[in-house]
Amino acid sequence: EIVLTQSPGTLSLSPGERATLSCRASQSVSSTYLAWYQQKPGQAPRLLIYGASSRATGIPDRISGSGSGTDFTLTISRLEPEDSAVYYCQQYSTSTGLTFGPGTKVEIK
Amino acid sequence: QVQLQESGPGLVKPSETLSLTCAVSGGSISSGGYYWSWIRQPAGKGLEWIGRMYTSGSTNYNASLKSRVTISIDTSKNMVSLKLSSVTAADTAVYYCTRGVASLSVWGKGTTVTVSS
Repeated sequence: EIVLTQSPGTLSLSPGERATLSCRASQSVSSTYLAWYQQKPGQAPRLLIYGASSRATGIPDRISGSGSGTDFTLTISRLEPEDSAVYYCQQYSTSTGLTFGPGTKVEIK
Repeated sequence: QVQLQESGPGLVKPSETLSLTCAVSGGSISSGGYYWSWIRQPAGKGLEWIGRMYTSGSTNYNASLKSRVTISIDTSKNMVSLKLSSVTAADTAVYYCTRGVASLSVWGKGTTVTVSS
């Protein structure tokens, strides 16, 4: 089973700053099968990035994904107050299905 | 635009079977080659994939829940169902219905299920 680790656990930044969120896999993950989600309190998660770097419909270009193998990154440039949320990475494996990382909480000062 | 709406009892007794349904609107459940998954999230915790079903009938389940889970699709009602047997307090969570293959692009709002006597 592939285990995803996310860091940091919490990120506290000011509006306009850049947020860099890390997702590390215990084994190599195909970039095709790595996704990122944003979840705000009381809401369902929303898909941000699929295929490691492709933005989902309606996602602004200040949100980007990158990485390969075991190391993936979600970058939010120019943070806005609305970006305050928990961000999850997720991988898919044909053998074990979907697994999620524990999440990174982004706080806007 | 496809929308998903979960429903079911908000309270289930320990050892009983949790049964939820997900109504799909804005599109046919049979079209598009998608998987229909259930995800759950205990209060204040992370996301856990429960399992999924393809419209062809094939299923994949989380190994940790496989012995207790059944996911089914009713194409005539455009609905996805989840059954989780022998529930305990550890199954208390918000349950989400989702659509996707390697990533989940459509989510319902979720329904809260509490396991308690």
